[in-house]
Amino acid sequence: AQSVTQLGSHVSVSEGALVLLRCNYSSSVPPYLFWYVQYPNQGLQLLLKYTSAATLVKGINGFEAEFKKSETSFHLTKPSAHMSDAAEYFCAVSPLISYNKLIFGAGTRLAVHP
Amino acid sequence: EAGVAQSPRYKIIEKRQSVAFWCNPISGHATLYWYQQILGQGPKLLIQFQNNGVVDDSQLPKDRFSAERLKGVDSTLKIQPAKLEDSAVYLCASSPGTSGGAGNEQFFGPGTRLTVL
Repeated sequence: AQSVTQLGSHVSVSEGALVLLRCNYSSSVPPYLFWYVQYPNQGLQLLLKYTSAATLVKGINGFEAEFKKSETSFHLTKPSAHMSDAAEYFCAVSPLISYNKLIFGAGTRLAVHP
Repeated sequence: EAGVAQSPRYKIIEKRQSVAFWCNPISGHATLYWYQQILGQGPKLLIQFQNNGVVDDSQLPKDRFSAERLKGVDSTLKIQPAKLEDSAVYLCASSPGTSGGAGNEQFFGPGTRLTVL
């Protein structure tokens, strides 16, 4: 069965610093890949997705992610953190033949301090 | 465009009681999903509907959980009887497209936070 591993359940950065959230997937065939963000007491919101087009994917709020097949990774980055980026981030995979089912990682809580 | 609506937002019950959650997806979205999100974990798919038919309920504890989607629009998820381990946030999501539409964005509602005492 496919799975998603997010390294680091908590990440803390200073405002203006680089944000790097790690995601690795297990699959012999590259699936579709997603990053979602969840603010307190809200549902999940899509940041970006990879669907076998460009390997560098740009999303909302200045986030981007790079698909690396050789490393089975899809890490999320943002050059300069903002206080409003504090939230929980989830990486998810959708197997190619799966009726759009999403398999989520455990999540990474991002804290941004002044 | 209105988003996915869920109610209630919060529910507290005692174990062995029953509870129901309601979801209204985005208009025109053919696919509807129910996820369970336990504290500290990522969401886990419980059941997925394509219009009013079930396409995946492999992780639904069918001895106590049930769900229906009448007329291919609104959906209800029921737990009877509830256990302590059912305490979680129940998220509803919807997506456009038909069966096999992998890669489609799922739009999530705000969730229902269930506490079982």
